[in-house]
Amino acid sequence: DAGVIQSPRHEVTEMGQEVTLRCKPISGHDYLFWYRQTMMRGLELLIYFNNNVPIDDSGMPEDRFSAKMPNASFSTLKIQPSEPRDSAVYFCASSPGQGGGETQYFGPGTRLLVL
Amino acid sequence: GENVEQHPSTLSVQEGDSAVIKCTYSDSASNYFPWYKQELGKRPQLIIDIRSNVGEKKDQRIAVTLNKTAKHFSLHITETQPEDSAVYFCAASNEYSSASKIIFGSGTRLSIRP
Repeated sequence: DAGVIQSPRHEVTEMGQEVTLRCKPISGHDYLFWYRQTMMRGLELLIYFNNNVPIDDSGMPEDRFSAKMPNASFSTLKIQPSEPRDSAVYFCASSPGQGGGETQYFGPGTRLLVL
Repeated sequence: GENVEQHPSTLSVQEGDSAVIKCTYSDSASNYFPWYKQELGKRPQLIIDIRSNVGEKKDQRIAVTLNKTAKHFSLHITETQPEDSAVYFCAASNEYSSASKIIFGSGTRLSIRP
């Protein structure tokens, strides 16, 4: 298995532009997580899905952020409009079975820079 | 909700010495405690985990201990090597809850001095 796949790996955009990050989880994994990592705030859980259904989006910073999972093999995290403070590394992770006690497998991350 | 605190935030040890990272959690329902290692520029990866039915688990040079009464758990790395340099995250969750999310600590940046 190729593991969790994320694209793009790097994204540089200007403030106000729309940004879409993509994730393909490991086949057969029922849970998908989106994290944001910054030096100041560490690793933050933004939202997670179980069987394509959003379970907890309490970590989504504001209405500018939205996430979808149209099917078991694809998810997107969208920022519209983007702001410089959104600059971070965004990780997608997936896990099998019960989300609470299973290993999370992280993707390589998308490094986002908003100018 | 669960809150996980991790200390220290940075740790520097001489190669060959031991390193200890400590975490505390707040939710007594938490029963699964994984540790993730993130090398510079890489993704976090699970290195070891412990469940609440055991007090200690060891895997070669790495060991984790859990004190449920005090709600704290620790990562111990013995005979440290340069490749141990990384950021380490502790985490806690309830493995029996399908709605439980893993809460990560703030991370410890471990540096191994040659």
